[in-house]
Amino acid sequence: SQQGEEDPQALSIQEGENATMNCSYKTSINNLQWYRQNSGRGLVHLILIRSNEREKHSGRLRVTLDTSKKSSSLLITASRAADTASYFCATDVQGGSEKLVFGKGTKLTVNP
Amino acid sequence: KAGVTQTPRYLIKTRGQQVTLSCSPISGHRSVSWYQQTPGQGLQFLFEYFSETQRNKGNFPGRFSGRQFSNSRSEMNVSTLELGDSALYLCASSLVPGTQYFGPGTRLTVL
Repeated sequence: SQQGEEDPQALSIQEGENATMNCSYKTSINNLQWYRQNSGRGLVHLILIRSNEREKHSGRLRVTLDTSKKSSSLLITASRAADTASYFCATDVQGGSEKLVFGKGTKLTVNP
Repeated sequence: KAGVTQTPRYLIKTRGQQVTLSCSPISGHRSVSWYQQTPGQGLQFLFEYFSETQRNKGNFPGRFSGRQFSNSRSEMNVSTLELGDSALYLCASSLVPGTQYFGPGTRLTVL
């Protein structure tokens, strides 16, 4: 079953623009992670935000978490063609399980 | 440190056959998880192993099984393959609860 739901399903922007992707989830979590996947290859970990954190930055990435709304957003600033990929949010259910529940992802296309 | 490795990268099988996929975690990581990715169902959790014990299992039929060895390497096996088992199978390892590091995946095609 899908816990996270990303929005939008697809996003097309020009290089240099910012890209914002949203994720909603259903149950209480320990943390939320964002991953990137290029063309059906392996997942690359981008950032992890814990349930007691509200915002986190890593390079051009900014992630926010609102546990009251059970939602998160990923902002990629000054996007590049190389950022073209699918982006997934993943949550782990409280209880210490290593099981990650993924959303269906946002397919981002950055046009040069 | 070397990343998570998975072998083989690509596999073609026919219905009814069985298949074994292998995963070597990042050195020092004791938790290994497996996921199936299909266009229709997305990424779904199969199972997780820690210190040779299955700690968690997803909602998959008994045809899907796995194991973990003392060196933390893991294998998953799918018996009596069905067309719907065609997918990208991803393995991930972690050191502590939280960040999981994924391998490149094994692309299984069932004909």
